[in-house]
Amino acid sequence: EPEVTQTPSHQVTQMGQEVILRCVPISNHLYFYWYRQILGQKVEFLVSFYNNEISEKSEIFDDQFSVERPDGSNFTLKIRSTKLEDSAMYFCASSGTVAKNIQYFGAGTRLSVL
Amino acid sequence: EDQVTQSPEALRLQEGESSSLNCSYTVSGLRGLFWYRQDPGKGPEFLFTLYSAGEEKEKERLKATLTKKESFLHITAPKPEDSATYLCAATGGSQGNLIFGKGTKLSVKP
Repeated sequence: EPEVTQTPSHQVTQMGQEVILRCVPISNHLYFYWYRQILGQKVEFLVSFYNNEISEKSEIFDDQFSVERPDGSNFTLKIRSTKLEDSAMYFCASSGTVAKNIQYFGAGTRLSVL
Repeated sequence: EDQVTQSPEALRLQEGESSSLNCSYTVSGLRGLFWYRQDPGKGPEFLFTLYSAGEEKEKERLKATLTKKESFLHITAPKPEDSATYLCAATGGSQGNLIFGKGTKLSVKP
């Protein structure tokens, strides 16, 4: 069964460092998303991406965040200068064109900022 | 502001004891209501999507229903392997992003 793959599963970084979280969406999907979940809190939307550009973003997704689809398979989330409050689980999701709204999630990357 | 609220926060059941989880929503122009299952340390796993009031979907011991204000996830004769956090989410208006509730943590004891 096709699945969304995220790497690494756990990333530890120092405050102020840049991190890149990677995702391989399901191969025939065209809509891509990043969400985050701070421990004990709701899953929160960060950004959606379609046709090589951002289609929606939340207030959380400020200038410190960026997304990219560098090739035909990968979708990345970059945090330029990490803060302690960026510590969370980050989930990538993808959806296809026919049932556009059904988003399939990866297992997540746990980001720990020290 | 669009919002999704789930209750209860936690639910403990004995194996075989049926119950329901509630999801109430205030979303402008609801496009879809989604149920996901999340196991500890994992990503949300898609279960159901409902698009209009009166719609019902079923899968094994789970049944999801939708009204104009809320959705229910009914669990019939649960087993310990049904233990997980169940997340409700909605999309509305022109937005494609999911708005999640905090989830209901279900524990089923043998």
